[in-house]
Amino acid sequence: GAGVSQSPSNKVTEKGKDVELRCDPISGHTALYWYRQSLGQGLEFLIYFQGNSAPDKSGLPSDRFSAERTGGSVSTLTIQRTQQEDSAVYLCASSLFDRQYFGPGTRLTVT
Amino acid sequence: SQQGEEDPQALSIQEGENATMNCSYKTSINNLQWYRQNSGRGLVHLILIRSNEREKHSGRLRVTLDTSKKSSSLLITASRAADTASYFCATEGDSGYSTLTFGKGTMLLVSP
Repeated sequence: GAGVSQSPSNKVTEKGKDVELRCDPISGHTALYWYRQSLGQGLEFLIYFQGNSAPDKSGLPSDRFSAERTGGSVSTLTIQRTQQEDSAVYLCASSLFDRQYFGPGTRLTVT
Repeated sequence: SQQGEEDPQALSIQEGENATMNCSYKTSINNLQWYRQNSGRGLVHLILIRSNEREKHSGRLRVTLDTSKKSSSLLITASRAADTASYFCATEGDSGYSTLTFGKGTMLLVSP
C-alpha cells in the first residue's frame, strides 16, 4: 500500500508569510506525528495526534505553529508569519503500534 | 530536548568492514529504535529493541541494549557503499506516551 505522503516537497516563502504543510498518513494508522529537522541536526518533536484524543502540542516552538488532523486522517501543519529560523525539513510520520513510518518531508526555506 | 546521543558523530570505513554506532539516553524507556536517513529526507525504520531485550538481529544488523547503562549499540556487518547514510536512535519513554525522542545521529560513510 501507499506510504506516508507529504506536500509540497519543497516550499520557498518570504519572511512574514503563512505556510501550510500537508501530511497524508498510511490508511488505518491512528497516530500521526510532526517533526522538524534543521540542517545536520536530529529530529525535533513538534506535535502528536492519537485517535480522537487531544493532541500533544508540547513540542510546538511558538504560537505561530499549529496543526490539525481532520477526520483522523490528513493533517496540516500551519506556520504563521514565518521567520528565517523556521527553515528546516518538516517530517510527518504515522504509526499503528511502536514503529513509525515517515514521509519524505517538506523542505521549507524562508527568505 | 533530545534524549538520545549517538557516538560517533561521523564514521568513515571501507566496504566490507563493520560499523559500530552507539547511543546513550537518560530516562527509562519502553523501547529503543534505530532509523536510517538518506539525503536528509524521510527516515526508514531499521530495528526495534524492547527494554526487556538485550540483543536483536536483523540481517546484517545487530542491536544491543544495556538498560543499566542506558546505552545501545548498532552494528552493521560487512558494510556496503549503499549503507552510507545517517543513523539515528530514538527512544520511546515509559510514561504512557508514544512519542519518540531522537538523537542527532551518526553519519556513516562507506567507501568502495
